[in-house]
Amino acid sequence: NAGVTQTPKFQVLKTGQSMTLQCAQDMNHEYMSWYRQDPGMGLRLIHYSVGAGITDQGEVPNGYNVSRSTTEDFPLRLLSAAPSQTSVYFCASSTRGGGLGEQYFGPGTRLTVT
Amino acid sequence: AQSVAQPEDQVNVAEGNPLTVKCTYSVSGNPYLFWYVQYPNRGLQFLLKYITGDNLVKGSYGFEAEFNKSQTSFHLKKPSALVSDSALYFCAVRDDRSNDYKLSFGAGTTVTVRA
Repeated sequence: NAGVTQTPKFQVLKTGQSMTLQCAQDMNHEYMSWYRQDPGMGLRLIHYSVGAGITDQGEVPNGYNVSRSTTEDFPLRLLSAAPSQTSVYFCASSTRGGGLGEQYFGPGTRLTVT
Repeated sequence: AQSVAQPEDQVNVAEGNPLTVKCTYSVSGNPYLFWYVQYPNRGLQFLLKYITGDNLVKGSYGFEAEFNKSQTSFHLKKPSALVSDSALYFCAVRDDRSNDYKLSFGAGTTVTVRA
């Protein structure tokens, strides 16, 4: 199993550009989520999904869109990049199991917006 | 509402000494508690969790954590630290009254183990 994979690993965008961060998992996990990690702030939840076709907002959803058309994939779209979105982005998945399963994290995407 | 606090930004210990990383939480119901570790330029890795049962939970790499309901704490411990334990540690909580499976993470504690 590859686990949770994310592409790209690094990305530089200019203000106003859009892009999609890709996330895929091969563990048949129902629950997937996107976090951003900023120094001194821990991980903050952007969006999450409890299954194909179902998504919901986390703590910091503004400026981001998600969709979940398959169990495996959960892409994160930046609609119009802003310098405040410079961060490290992590995708994670887990078994739904009442939310009791540990989350498996991808290696992250380091995004810089200039 | 649920939240978690890690009161120490950094913990420094000598190799072979005990290591403790502190975590306190706030929930309206009962907590589900987790510890994760992040090595440089890597994603987070699961260490251990408390759902119910014994207050002392054992996890990966010789780590354990003690759940204390009266003090609303879930401190991570290792009896004898290794240099390879140097990393960023995160505590996370979910309220069992929550129906949305969201985890709330602390800000993280950087552990440095000196040889």
